[in-house]
Amino acid sequence: GNSVTQMEGPVTLSEEAFLTINCTYTATGYPSLFWYVQYPGEGLQLLLKATKADDKGSNKGFEATYRKETTSFHLEKGSVQVSDSAVYFCALTLTGNQFYFGTGTSLTVIP
Amino acid sequence: NAGVMQNPRHLVRRRGQEARLRCSPMKGHSHVYWYRQLPEEGLKFMVYLQKENIIDESGMPKERFSAEFPKEGPSILRIQQVVRGDSAAYFCASSHMFGAKNIQYFGAGTRLSVL
Repeated sequence: GNSVTQMEGPVTLSEEAFLTINCTYTATGYPSLFWYVQYPGEGLQLLLKATKADDKGSNKGFEATYRKETTSFHLEKGSVQVSDSAVYFCALTLTGNQFYFGTGTSLTVIP
Repeated sequence: NAGVMQNPRHLVRRRGQEARLRCSPMKGHSHVYWYRQLPEEGLKFMVYLQKENIIDESGMPKERFSAEFPKEGPSILRIQQVVRGDSAAYFCASSHMFGAKNIQYFGAGTRLSVL
């Protein structure tokens, strides 16, 4: 079947630290991969995406590379800020209709 | 350009009552999706609708749950005779296209609590 496994949280980092949130997937075909972010009290916002192997999605200093050989899409940021505190969801879709989400990773950045 | 609007944001029901959750998609979007997030779990797909049509309801529980997206007005997710296990966050998403390169835009969710 199709599923996404995310690194469990919560994650607490100091400002300017390096961030990695691991995400691996299982899919019956060739999925598109996404990272969504949810700030407190808000809906999920698309952070970045990649639609084929070796693509790198990037936005707001965050990056993730679609690795077909390891079925992974790890999220990274070189220097986190307090404003990055949120819940991060990794997701995949094959058809564009059904999205499959991980359980979310809560990130808290302290000054 | 308003985003996906869901209301109410919080809904409290007693067991056996009905819950109605509303979702207005982004302007220009004709595809609506509902997801449920149980505590400590990721979002799980429930149903995909276009105007006046249910396209995919493979994630909907077979009983008590129904969804519609009428020609006019918001999409409605209806839960009849709620039970405690229905307590969850329900998210709506919309898109203006479909297919493998689709991007779904999400609302802030409705948090349903069943007493």
